[in-house]
Amino acid sequence: RKEVEQDPGPFNVPEGATVAFNCTYSNSASQSFFWYRQDCRKEPKLLMSVYSSGNEDGRFTAQLNRASQYISLLIRDSKLSDSATYLCVVNGAGGTSYGKLTFGQGTILTVHP
Amino acid sequence: EPEVTQTPSHQVTQMGQEVILRCVPISNHLYFYWYRQILGQKVEFLVSFYNNEISEKSEIFDDQFSVERPDGSNFTLKIRSTKLEDSAMYFCASSERRDRPNEKLFFGSGTQLSVL
Repeated sequence: RKEVEQDPGPFNVPEGATVAFNCTYSNSASQSFFWYRQDCRKEPKLLMSVYSSGNEDGRFTAQLNRASQYISLLIRDSKLSDSATYLCVVNGAGGTSYGKLTFGQGTILTVHP
Repeated sequence: EPEVTQTPSHQVTQMGQEVILRCVPISNHLYFYWYRQILGQKVEFLVSFYNNEISEKSEIFDDQFSVERPDGSNFTLKIRSTKLEDSAMYFCASSERRDRPNEKLFFGSGTQLSVL
């Protein structure tokens, strides 16, 4: 099983649509979880951390289910500028491994007019 | 927002040559990392570095790779004898701390290494 596995995508949606991405992770000892976005040939940029209680940042909502080892990201009212690759990222299992991020393959999102 | 700076943005080299990729982490950060991304593949952890020594390294980070903090500002990744499969985007990152689960890593814009 891959360490972090994401929906293969790609997703092509019209502006204003709601789109959801899913992710599963294999290491039950993982401590922290993130969604990053990556534009073509650019560095990953942190979109949001994912907390057990679920969290929202504007149009973005992230959910975590530790029992199922499942993470999700919901984007509401999609904008053209949301077009990017969305990376599910899991942090190390504590101690000195917090800086060791494990990335998923990414899901490509294209928002069209 | 503070930035991690990487140079050069593109590096072309011949197979077997040594390359040094350079990074200037954010000034008050103490923890440094290298990641790489082969075209079309996922971002992969290479190495973490703290207090002038490697904290953790991946299987990718073999004897051909080394890291150094030669002065108070630079953090370098050296590949001694490059192979074709080393062609990738290399990202440097830094963080203020690493003992907090949600500690944010700041990534540089990357160096695209092409080995011919």
